[in-house]
Amino acid sequence: EAGVAQSPRYKIIEKRQSVAFWCNPISGHATLYWYQQILGQGPKLLIQFQNNGVVDDSQLPKDRFSAERLKGVDSTLKIQPAKLEDSAVYLCASSLITGGFSSYEQYFGPGTRLTVT
Amino acid sequence: KNEVEQSPQNLTAQEGEFITINCSYSVGISALHWLQQHPGGGIVSLFMLSSGKKKHGRLIATINIQEKHSSLHITASHPRDSAVYICAVCRGATNKLIFGTGTLLAVQP
Repeated sequence: EAGVAQSPRYKIIEKRQSVAFWCNPISGHATLYWYQQILGQGPKLLIQFQNNGVVDDSQLPKDRFSAERLKGVDSTLKIQPAKLEDSAVYLCASSLITGGFSSYEQYFGPGTRLTVT
Repeated sequence: KNEVEQSPQNLTAQEGEFITINCSYSVGISALHWLQQHPGGGIVSLFMLSSGKKKHGRLIATINIQEKHSSLHITASHPRDSAVYICAVCRGATNKLIFGTGTLLAVQP
């Protein structure tokens, strides 16, 4: 079974530029998560989708971050304009639709390491 | 105070040693995860548990729901076990994960 795919793996941009990350979850997984992990910290949830609807985006800085999952499969996360403090690893994860113990399992992609200079 | 606390933050061990990493949490949970993250790599789920104990190879995870505490044990540690180990709790109707800050483990040959 293919895992969660993310691209690019690495990205270096200057502040005030824009950047986009892509995630393809495991086939059949209805729930998709985007996390931000700053060096030395645990991941922080940015946004959670169930199918193509937003479940939780309470910690997404909406003035500069946006995310979409138009057809309930792939997702993109965009930052515009980027700031120095956005330097982090952006992780995508997916899980089965919520409900039941097995749905608590989240499968993580390899992450995208963003450096803003 | 973080909702999920891990200890120690850093741990250096000699190959073959028995290792314990602890996790305490202060909220009600539906499940607790132990995750492994290698430098530059993604996150791999090691265990997901809601009670008792689970074992996989040289790894053992235990949880005490009443005490809101979990431990991850590594027996006969090996340099390839060197990684960051993260405790995360799952809570709420949306199965939101709340992460600890991780324990950086270095196993020296």
